[in-house]
Amino acid sequence: QQQVKQSPQSLIVQKGGISIINCAYENTAFDYFPWYQQFPGKGPALLIAIRPDVSEKKEGRFTISFNKSAKQFSLHIMDSQPGDSATYFCAAISAGNMLTFGGGTRLMVKP
Amino acid sequence: ETGVTQSPTHLIKTRGQQVTLRCSSQSGHNTVSWYQQALGQGPQFIFQYYREEENGRGNFPPRFSGLQFPNYSSELNVNALELDDSALYLCASSRQGADEQYFGPGTRLTVT
Repeated sequence: QQQVKQSPQSLIVQKGGISIINCAYENTAFDYFPWYQQFPGKGPALLIAIRPDVSEKKEGRFTISFNKSAKQFSLHIMDSQPGDSATYFCAAISAGNMLTFGGGTRLMVKP
Repeated sequence: ETGVTQSPTHLIKTRGQQVTLRCSSQSGHNTVSWYQQALGQGPQFIFQYYREEENGRGNFPPRFSGLQFPNYSSELNVNALELDDSALYLCASSRQGADEQYFGPGTRLTVT
């Protein structure tokens, strides 16, 4: 059962553009929504996270938008750079136990 | 870079064999979670250890087992290896009750 659905599977953006990745969840018990960035051959790195009592969180060029009623959240990468090229995973967790991941989005930023 | 370390980096085993993977948690973290990441997919939760006991388990068969030691490091053991067990095995450490989990670099297991 895929409880977190992520789209698109792949994304190509020009340098300086905005990258947008979307996720939808089903389990209303989820109370923490992190995004991870993973480079080839590396483990996922925690990028930014949000709780459902907040509609938006911004850290540098990365912003999470959260819509609790629609059970959707998204990652926006402003001024995308070639170094941002990686696979991005949304995830959700309840009670600090099991992270449930989306299927991933492979982002390529063209110079 | 997180302070989570895993060994070995790569491992090749034959179907039917057994394997042990190791993880050292980040300083100050007392909880370790293990995930399996098949190629091109998101990580799947295997189980979590806290106070040397299993504290939650995903949809994995009993041939996947684990241990946690008093220093909070952990082992993942897989018996009777199958070809589908080929994956990147990730360890994540956290403080009990905290939502933030920090991943190690993983162990790439290939079963032939």
